[in-house]
Amino acid sequence: LAKTTQPISMDSYEGQEVNITCSHNNIATNDYITWYQQFPSQGPRFIIQGYKTKVTNEVASLFIPADRKSSTLSLPRVSLSDTAVYYCLVSNSGYALNFGKGTSLLVTP
Amino acid sequence: DTGVSQNPRHKITKRGQNVTFRCDPISEHNRLYWYRQTLGQGPEFLTYFQNEAQLEKSRLLSDRFSAERPKGSFSTLEIQRTEQGDSAMYLCASRPGGSFSEAFFGQGTRLTVV
Repeated sequence: LAKTTQPISMDSYEGQEVNITCSHNNIATNDYITWYQQFPSQGPRFIIQGYKTKVTNEVASLFIPADRKSSTLSLPRVSLSDTAVYYCLVSNSGYALNFGKGTSLLVTP
Repeated sequence: DTGVSQNPRHKITKRGQNVTFRCDPISEHNRLYWYRQTLGQGPEFLTYFQNEAQLEKSRLLSDRFSAERPKGSFSTLEIQRTEQGDSAMYLCASRPGGSFSEAFFGQGTRLTVV
C-alpha cells in the first residue's frame, strides 16, 4: 500500500487560500487519491478525490502532477470552520483506506 | 437520517468486561469498514467486509476482537476481556460498490475502559 507523507500542522488566517501537499512516491497505477476532513469527535468526511490532473468541487481543488507522486489539496478562502484535520489517502477500490496522521489545520481570525 | 449509524455513542466499561458495538451502514452500500482512533492519531484500519464476507483484517485485530456482518447488512464489533489500551473511538464506514466511491463514516462509538 502506498504510504503518504503530509505536514503535521499548518496555520492560516481567515480568507486565505490554503494548500496542503501530500507526498506518495510509491503510488500504484490503479491507485487514486482521496482527501478527507475530520472535526473533533466526528468521523472523517470525504472532501475530494482524483486520479490525475486537476479536480475541483464546491469546497476544494485537487492538483495532481503527471508523475502522481504528490498531490495538493487547495482550500480557497478558508474560514474558522475549516479548522480540522485533513487526511490524504492513496488506495484502490478493493483495499482498506489507510489514514496517516493527517495535517492539523488551524484557521485564526 | 440515511447516514451511517453507530450505537452506542459512548460506552464506559470495566476492565475485563466484554463490549459490543453496532454499525448500520447506508442501506445500498456493500462495503463496510471498522476503524479505531486514539487521540492525536488518524483512524487505524481494523477490518473490512464486502457484503457478509470479512475480506481483510488488520494485525491490530487481536484474538479478543471479532466482527460480524450477518446477511451483509449491519455489523457488530465485539471486544472481549477489555483492556485499558482498548479505550478509543471506534469508527464504522460504508461504501457502495465501484472503484472510486467515497466512504461515509459514522459518528463513532467512544469506548472508555476503567
